[in-house]
Amino acid sequence: AQTVTQSQPEMSVQEAETVTLSCTYDTSENNYYLFWYKQPPSRQMILVIRQEAYKQQNATENRFSVNFQKAAKSFSLKISDSQLGDTAMYFCAFMMPPNFGNEKLTFGTGTRLTIIP
Amino acid sequence: EAGVVQSPRYKIIEKKQPVAFWCNPISGHNTLYWYRQNLGQGPELLIRYENEEAVDDSQLPKDRFSAERLKGVDSTLKIQPAELGDSAVYLCASSLQGDAQYFGPGTRLTVL
Repeated sequence: AQTVTQSQPEMSVQEAETVTLSCTYDTSENNYYLFWYKQPPSRQMILVIRQEAYKQQNATENRFSVNFQKAAKSFSLKISDSQLGDTAMYFCAFMMPPNFGNEKLTFGTGTRLTIIP
Repeated sequence: EAGVVQSPRYKIIEKKQPVAFWCNPISGHNTLYWYRQNLGQGPELLIRYENEEAVDDSQLPKDRFSAERLKGVDSTLKIQPAELGDSAVYLCASSLQGDAQYFGPGTRLTVL
C-alpha cells in the first residue's frame, strides 16, 4: 500500500515571499500520479498541480511549481510571490494511473499554510 | 463549466437517525468518488463508481452505509443509523476516465 507523509503540520510566510511545502511518499510502483490540493476554510478541495511519474520535467502552474525527485520519493510544492489567498490547508496526494484498478487518492495529513500580510 | 455540486452543505442530526447526501458530478465525468474527511486529516475513499457500477467499495462500512449512482450521473450516499463517530466532512469528487479528480464543496455532518 502507498503512504504519503507531510512532515510540516503548519507553516507561515510573509506575503510576496516564496515558500516550499514538503511531501514524501512510499510506493513500489514505477508509474503513478502525484497531486497537490489546496483546501481553504470553505472546505472545497482545489487541484493545484499534478505530476506524472514518467515525466522528468517538473510541473508548473503559474506561481506554483514542484520539485519531483523520483529516486528520493519526494514531491515538494513551491509557491512563489505568495498571496493572502494562498492561505489554506495543502494536501499532497498519490494515485495510480487509470486502468490500474486502484484510482483512489491517498492523501497526506496536510500542511496548514498561513500567509501573513 | 459547472463544478461538482453537493447538498446539503451542513447537516446536524441525532444519533441513530438516517441521513443522505447528494452529489452531481461534472458533466461528462464517468468516475465518481465519495470520500470522508475527519477533522485534521486527509480525505479517505469510501466508494468509487465507474458509470453506474461500484468498482471499489472496500472501505465502505456496509452495515450502515449505502450508496447508489442511478443512470451513471447523480449519486446518493446514505447512513442509517448514524453514530457519533460518523461526524465528518463527506466529499464527492469526479473525474474523466480516472484522471485528475475534482471535488465538490463537501457536506459537514454533525451527529449529536
